Amino acid sequence: AQRVTQPEKLLSVFKGAPVELKCNYSYSGSPELFWYVQYSRQRLQLLLRHISRESIKGFTADLNKGETSFHLKKPFAQEEDSAMYYCALRGNDMRFGAGTRLTVKP
Amino acid sequence: DTGVSQNPRHKITKRGQNVTFRCDPISEHNRLYWYRQTLGQGPEFLTYFQNEAQLEKSRLLSDRFSAERPKGSFSTLEIQRTEQGDSAMYLCASSLGGRGTDTQYFGPGTRLTVL
Repeated sequence: AQRVTQPEKLLSVFKGAPVELKCNYSYSGSPELFWYVQYSRQRLQLLLRHISRESIKGFTADLNKGETSFHLKKPFAQEEDSAMYYCALRGNDMRFGAGTRLTVKP
Repeated sequence: DTGVSQNPRHKITKRGQNVTFRCDPISEHNRLYWYRQTLGQGPEFLTYFQNEAQLEKSRLLSDRFSAERPKGSFSTLEIQRTEQGDSAMYLCASSLGGRGTDTQYFGPGTRLTVL
């Protein structure tokens, strides 16, 4: 079965604090994993993908095949990071998690 | 705007009516995807096209749903005999294709309300 789990629907941190958005997946093959973000009143857009191993807007995510996780991290959250974040798995098709709403408080 | 566009942005219909949505992808993109998103959930994959060929369909896509991409450019999603459970945001995305490079660019969505 192909599944993406984001255990936290809501996450709230203060500006400057570290943030970690959790994502766990299940897939028997070799997965491609992504993080998508949706800012208020904007369309869904790609934040980063595990293949690129890049840092975007200070965010990083490491694929841990042993723990089947792809957590999104940022050491110092900013108010403009407040958004809805979706983890996605491309296996047989594209599967999204339910999303985590991140709020960064001033 | 050279991004993915969707029309209409909102549609209100009565139960039992048919509705059709249109998606115009980014011009050089050969892959086109349809998703459905309900409140509190992430997008759910419905189907995707490689050029004009419909390559994959989710089990979520009942026989009341049909999608076309006749010339490999724009696509339409039709829902026949709508039900209240069809109320959702319908998202379209397009990509160049190719494993490792398949970044999907999303449209703004069409919000369907079935009364």
